[in-house]
Amino acid sequence: QEQLVESGGALVKPGGSLRLSCAASGFTFSDHSMTWIRQAPGKGLEWVSLISGDDEIIYYTDSVKGRFTISRDNAKSSLFLHMTSLRAEDSAMYYCARGSPGYDRSGYYDEFYHGLDLWGLGTTVTVSS
Amino acid sequence: EIVLTQSPATLSLSPGERASLSCRASHRISNYIAWYQQKPGQAPRLVIYDASNRATGIPARFSGSGSGTDFTLTISSLEPEDFAVYYCQESSNWPPITFGQGTRLEIK
Repeated sequence: QEQLVESGGALVKPGGSLRLSCAASGFTFSDHSMTWIRQAPGKGLEWVSLISGDDEIIYYTDSVKGRFTISRDNAKSSLFLHMTSLRAEDSAMYYCARGSPGYDRSGYYDEFYHGLDLWGLGTTVTVSS
Repeated sequence: EIVLTQSPATLSLSPGERASLSCRASHRISNYIAWYQQKPGQAPRLVIYDASNRATGIPARFSGSGSGTDFTLTISSLEPEDFAVYYCQESSNWPPITFGQGTRLEIK
């Protein structure tokens, strides 16, 4: 069945680095844009980054620009998030989530029109000295 | 940038009652609204997309409505497993992909 499995979360000191991975299975990975979403303890959901299926389009939320890098390996059905210069406020559960594309009511094709329809269980990043 | 405001922050209801959760956008966003359910210790789960379409496997008691700036998630008759936190999310002009702050639906 369709599945996303994150890994790589750890306890890291401020200023440190970490690489998160998300292994996809059960679907054609390259057909979907992918996102990283994070959730600090007791808080809401925050979009972090997205990458298109052909990795031509990449975006980041402002607070991680210049520090985080999203990438993907379609041959291995894997998504990555390389995190550097980590701060305490980066501590969170990190989820990878799949974009579900579709045509809106104007006939425009959007990579996320049908929402984020598949989520992994998440991996925990804790930044603390 | 679109801001989504969900209300109420907490909704206390009993099983069998009807729940209406609101999501208001700071600007008109067509129908690029999705709703997610998150239970403690679990990942979010897509409930509604395109403002009013149920995701795969979602029971018919869940419905979505609205357009423009005001959207509603309705659960017609609450089951015990429906008590959770619900988030709305929009992607009309990504980036960014924006979430509301969530509504906690708790058992009264």
